[in-house]
Amino acid sequence: DVKVTQSSRYLVKRTGEKVFLECVQDMDHENMFWYRQDPGLGLRLIYFSYDVKMKEKGDIPEGYSVSREKKERFSLILESASTNQTSMYLCASSLFGAQGAYTQYFGPGTRLTVL
Amino acid sequence: DQQVKQNSPSLSVQEGRISILNCDYTNSMFDYFLWYKKYPAEGPTFLISISSIKDKNEDGRFTVFLNKSAKHLSLHIVPSQPGDSAVYFCAASARAGGTSYGKLTFGQGTILTVHP
Repeated sequence: DVKVTQSSRYLVKRTGEKVFLECVQDMDHENMFWYRQDPGLGLRLIYFSYDVKMKEKGDIPEGYSVSREKKERFSLILESASTNQTSMYLCASSLFGAQGAYTQYFGPGTRLTVL
Repeated sequence: DQQVKQNSPSLSVQEGRISILNCDYTNSMFDYFLWYKKYPAEGPTFLISISSIKDKNEDGRFTVFLNKSAKHLSLHIVPSQPGDSAVYFCAASARAGGTSYGKLTFGQGTILTVHP
C-alpha cells in the first residue's frame, strides 16, 4: 500500500521562526510536491522536485524553500514564518513517466498556525 | 489566473440521488484530468481520471465526462451515499515531458454533502 507520511499533523509557531516540514514516501517515486490548501483557493503548488537535489518553483514559492537530499524525503522550509503562512500543507509524490506521472499520492497534511 | 475552476463551492444532495460536480479549464494544453476526494484532516485521495482521447470514464458509482470543445468536465456519482460527503477537487495536467513532470493544477474544490 502506498504511503506518504508528514512529520507533524499540527504545528504552532511564532512569527519569524524558521519552520521545517518533513515528508517521506516509501513508494520509490521520483516526483515529490508541496502544496498549501486554503479555503476557496484549492491546492496551490509551492515547490516540486523530480530527482534528488533537483527542485522547481511552483506557483507560490515566495517565502519558502525546499530540500531533497534523499529520494524518499522532501522538506519544506519556511525561512521566517509569517501569519499569512498559516495554512494546511500537503505533500505528494508520483512516479516519473507515462501515465504514472499524473496520479499523485498525498500525505495526511500538516495544519500550521503562525502566531 | 485560475486555469482550473470549480464554480460551485458547495452541493447538497439527498442519499440515493445523483451528484454532479463540475469543473472548467482554460488551458488547451491540458490533456489529462483527475478527480480527488478529501475528508477533513486527511490528504486528498485519487478517485478517477480521464485522458483527453476519451470523453467518458466509469468506475463503479463514479463517472467522469469530458467535453473538450467546451473545456468542461464533470463527475457524476450515482447513487450518492452519506459517506461520499467530502471536498472534491478536479485537477488537470499538460502532457508530461520536458519540465512538466506531471504537475497538476487544481480547482478550488466543491464541498459535497449527502443527506440521509
